[in-house]
Amino acid sequence: QQQVKQSPQSLIVQKGGISIINCAYENTAFDYFPWYQQFPGKGPALLIAIRPDVSEKKEGRFTISFNKSAKQFSLHIMDSQPGDSATYFCAATVTQGGSEKLVFGKGTKLTVNP
Amino acid sequence: EPEVTQTPSHQVTQMGQEVILHCVPISNHLYFYWYRQILGQKVEFLVSFYNNEISEKSEIFDDQFSVERPDGSNFTLKIRSTKLEDSAMYFCASRYRGLGVGYTFGSGTRLTVV
Repeated sequence: QQQVKQSPQSLIVQKGGISIINCAYENTAFDYFPWYQQFPGKGPALLIAIRPDVSEKKEGRFTISFNKSAKQFSLHIMDSQPGDSATYFCAATVTQGGSEKLVFGKGTKLTVNP
Repeated sequence: EPEVTQTPSHQVTQMGQEVILHCVPISNHLYFYWYRQILGQKVEFLVSFYNNEISEKSEIFDDQFSVERPDGSNFTLKIRSTKLEDSAMYFCASRYRGLGVGYTFGSGTRLTVV
C-alpha cells in the first residue's frame, strides 16, 4: 500500500499553542519521512525530515516524533505563530526498481489565530 | 538558494489542445519529477526521470503525457490532448543523489482546461 494517511484535514490553533499533525503508513519499504510546508500559490517546501531508525528529530519549534512499530509519525509545532498558517503534508520516500519517489499525505490546513 | 523555476505560472487552454509545461531544475541535480495537485487535494506523483529516461510513471501518466529533457537544462511535460480533468497545479521537482536528500519543488504551473 503506497499511501500515507494524514489527519486532521484542518486545524485551528491559537497563537502560542501546540499544533499536532499525525500520519500513518502501511508500507514498510518507506525509508525516509519528510514534512513539507506549502503556502498558497507556492510549491511544497521541505520543512523537516526523519529516518526510520530515529524516534525524534527537533529543529527549532518543529519536532517529528516517529514510532516505527506503530507505523506512525507526527509533526509538533511548538509556540505556533500566525506565520505558520499553511498546508502541511507528511510524505514518505519509497524506492522500487532503483527508482525513488515521494508519496504524500492529503495535507492539513493549519490556521494559527493571532 | 538554488531554485527550481517553472513557466508559465498560469496556462489556460482549450480542451483537446496540446500544452507544454517548462521547468528548469537545479543545475547539479540528477533526478527530476513531475507531480500534480488538483485543487484542494494531495500532491500526486506523475513521473520520475533520470539519466535521460523515465524511471517510473504513475497510472495518471498515460499516453497523452510525455516528458523531455531537450538541452540538459530544461525539463518539460507535454500533454498532447488536454481534458477538463487535467486542470490542476503541476509541480516540477528535482533532487541530487542519495537517500534523505530533499526534493526541491518549483512554484508550479496552474493549468486550466476550458
